[in-house]
Amino acid sequence: GENVEQHPSTLSVQEGDSAVIKCTYSDSASNYFPWYKQELGKGPQLIIDIRSNVGEKKDQRIAVTLNKTAKHFSLHITETQPEDSAVYFCAARASQKVTFGIGTKLQVIP
Amino acid sequence: NAGVTQTPKFRILKIGQSMTLQCTQDMNHNYMYWYRQDPGMGLKLIYYSVGAGITDKGEVPNGYNVSRSTTEDFPLRLELAAPSQTSVYFCASSRKALDEQYFGPGTRLTVT
Repeated sequence: GENVEQHPSTLSVQEGDSAVIKCTYSDSASNYFPWYKQELGKGPQLIIDIRSNVGEKKDQRIAVTLNKTAKHFSLHITETQPEDSAVYFCAARASQKVTFGIGTKLQVIP
Repeated sequence: NAGVTQTPKFRILKIGQSMTLQCTQDMNHNYMYWYRQDPGMGLKLIYYSVGAGITDKGEVPNGYNVSRSTTEDFPLRLELAAPSQTSVYFCASSRKALDEQYFGPGTRLTVT
């Protein structure tokens, strides 16, 4: 089955700096790569996703890049703000199932 | 739209007891999922369904059962609770396979 590795597990940045979270996947059939943000006590919420026919996607301060050859994808958050503090999960989907990474706890220090 | 709702929010079970975690979505989504989230372990897929009457196992199905008699409801059944089932359970739904999943608020279950 699919295996998704995510790092770092924790990340602290100063407000205004950029944050980068990286994931690798194992199944070359995976073709959908969402990123979810989970705030304390809540369910995960999609923040951005990318499909295998696209190399990069951007939405305001958030961007995701995908390298299919290397089987890795990354989340980039620029100009971080305290409200960006949360746990972020990457995921990869092949067929009917989606596999999640273990999560990155991002702390933005004011 | 309420989205995905889950009940109960919290529950404490004794070893060997049974319970059903309820999940309902009002978005007319075909796909529904059950995950468990353990500290530092991310989300693990327990069961999923691609439509009413169709269910399939995920990564960690042992000790659980599901049914999908309607599009809206996807209950998760624990028959003989064990301490290893202490976790936070999330239900989710999506319109299609390669679509955003909408998550419920979760059920925190403790088995002692």
